[in-house]
Formats: sequence, C-alpha cells, structure tokens
Amino acid sequence: QSALTQPPSASGSPGQSVTISCTGTSSDVGGYGYVSWYQQHPGKAPKLMIYEVSKRPSGVPDRFSGSKSGNTASLTVSGLQQADDEADYYCGSYAGSNNPYVFGTGTKVTVL
Amino acid sequence: QVQLQESGPGLVKSSETLSLICTVSGGSIRNYYWSWIRQPAGKGLEWIGRIYTSGSTNYNPSLKSRVTMSVDTSKNQFSLRLTSVTAADTAVYYCARGVYVMDFWGQGTTVTVSS
Repeated sequence: QSALTQPPSASGSPGQSVTISCTGTSSDVGGYGYVSWYQQHPGKAPKLMIYEVSKRPSGVPDRFSGSKSGNTASLTVSGLQQADDEADYYCGSYAGSNNPYVFGTGTKVTVL
Repeated sequence: QVQLQESGPGLVKSSETLSLICTVSGGSIRNYYWSWIRQPAGKGLEWIGRIYTSGSTNYNPSLKSRVTMSVDTSKNQFSLRLTSVTAADTAVYYCARGVYVMDFWGQGTTVTVSS
C-alpha cells in the first residue's frame, strides 16, 4: 500500500488561504469517507484537525475545512496565522480491511 | 481528558526485539481501537497497526511478519513488539486512540536501533 500523495510544501501570507491536496486511489481516498487531516508542529505529536473528510473536532477553529472530490481530498486553512498554522500537515485514509490505514507524504506549510 | 504515554527502551540492538507499552489514563481502554504509528527523523508518518480491546489486530502489510500487538485491559495498557529490528526501524513511536480517527496521541518515544 503506497502512501497518499501530498505536495511537499505550501505557503501563504498571514490572513490568506492555503489548500493542500491529498491524492490516493479508489481503494482508499476515493472509496471511503474516512479521510482525516493531522497537524504536527516540530517535536510534537500530530493533532487531529479534520475527520471523515470535513468534520472538525471540538476546539479546532473553523478556519480549517476539508473536502473530497474523487480520489483527491483537500484541506483548506483560511486566515493563515503565523505561529499556529505553520506546521506539517498529514492526510490519512482508511484503505480497506487488509491494510486499514495509510498516511499521506506530508506537506510543510509556511506562513510568509 | 484521555492521555496516552509510551514507555520502553530507547535503545535496541540490531536483530533484537523492540517492545513498547502505551498506558492510557483519564478513560477506559475498553471498546476502542488503538493504533501504533512511527516517524523516522525528518520523515513522514507510518501506520504500524491497530488492536481492539477484544484483542483483534490488523497490521501494516509491510511490517506484518515482524509485528505483534497485545492489550491488557486490567492495566489500561496495550503494547507493541517488533522483531528483528534494523536501523530502518529507528524512529519516534507514537500510540493513539482510534484508527480512522486518531483523536488522542501520546507524546511519542524515540527508539534507536544500534549495531
């Protein structure tokens, strides 16, 4: 099972929006509604930001939103904030009963 | 608030077995899936596998031949064993609650495989 494909980097100025893609196949992203997004600051554990494609856990700002079209999921961060949003972001998806979970390759978001 | 804490040796010799425990506090381990994830320095996340509190497991096919997970509900703990380790197994190892939605994570523990 290959990792889901994400762009290595993305950037935006404070207050702007950035969108990160996560491309898989019909066996993972495209086949199920179980795409999650995780934020990871350096030296810290990942934090769940989006689950089931577009749902936000309690406490996650509504500046974070998720969507999916076909085999590609996307995370949009609106109103970029320098310290909070600059981090690595990973997508993840259910990938079937034989290999239940696969992560994306990760995207480093830089706030310019 | 649920908290997870990984524990185990930080240094393992090549060809030996890596053993880690994840202790869950602030909630019951019962009726949830629990996952192990690892991250080599400077690299991405890799899902290792998951266990349900009944003891049923699923492992990443790439590691399946070397991985065993178990759960001890009386101690609110679950564990990971990885046999025949090599330098490629050097990573930060995380435990987390859930599989499709990993909502609580441990802080991670660094395991280095030495020759």
